[in-house]
Amino acid sequence: GQNIDQPTEMTATEGAIVQINCTYQTSGFNGLFWYQQHAGEAPTFLSYNVLDGLEEKGRFSSFLSRSKGYSYLLLKELQMKDSASYLCAVTDSNYQLIWGAGTKLIIKP
Amino acid sequence: IAGITQAPTSQILAAGRRMTLRCTQDMRHNAMYWYRQDLGLGLRLIHYSNTAGTTGKGEVPDGYSVSRANTDDFPLTLASAVPSQTSVYFCASSDSGTENTGELFFGEGSRLTVL
Repeated sequence: GQNIDQPTEMTATEGAIVQINCTYQTSGFNGLFWYQQHAGEAPTFLSYNVLDGLEEKGRFSSFLSRSKGYSYLLLKELQMKDSASYLCAVTDSNYQLIWGAGTKLIIKP
Repeated sequence: IAGITQAPTSQILAAGRRMTLRCTQDMRHNAMYWYRQDLGLGLRLIHYSNTAGTTGKGEVPDGYSVSRANTDDFPLTLASAVPSQTSVYFCASSDSGTENTGELFFGEGSRLTVL
């Protein structure tokens, strides 16, 4: 079956760095997405990786290793507003989007 | 304001009742989707539409139906609601059609409780 694994919850300190991991087992691969979802709100797009390597976008970076079925989202200089759930999603060979359950990130002062 | 609008925002209804969740987008996106989100589970696709006039079944289509009469509107209907359909429903759109390589834009969600 197809599966996306992410930690359920993580805690980090304001100003620090946190890495949220995502591993996937899917039938084929056509890209990996990261979305941010604040409590009670809609998911919003953060990043898209289709080739191996690191994509940097301000304080957020996303890394992909297709051979390992692995990605991570790196958040630097954490702010309180970064408290949210982070959703990993993979597009399989049929271009179906498979979603992880999300990682709830708690930022402490 | 450009984007996706869902209605209602929240609804409580009795089991057995019929309910339609409305979704309208003004971005002229070809593809639209309905997801449900339940605690501890990833977003699950209910139905999708790659273009006006066509629809398809997602991962959890049973008990739901959709229509896509035009580009902008994609209503989701529960013919006879059951308590297991209690969830938060998100409508989304993208401009990538059948190739799911594009960013999804989500509505604010409709919280549905079936008693």
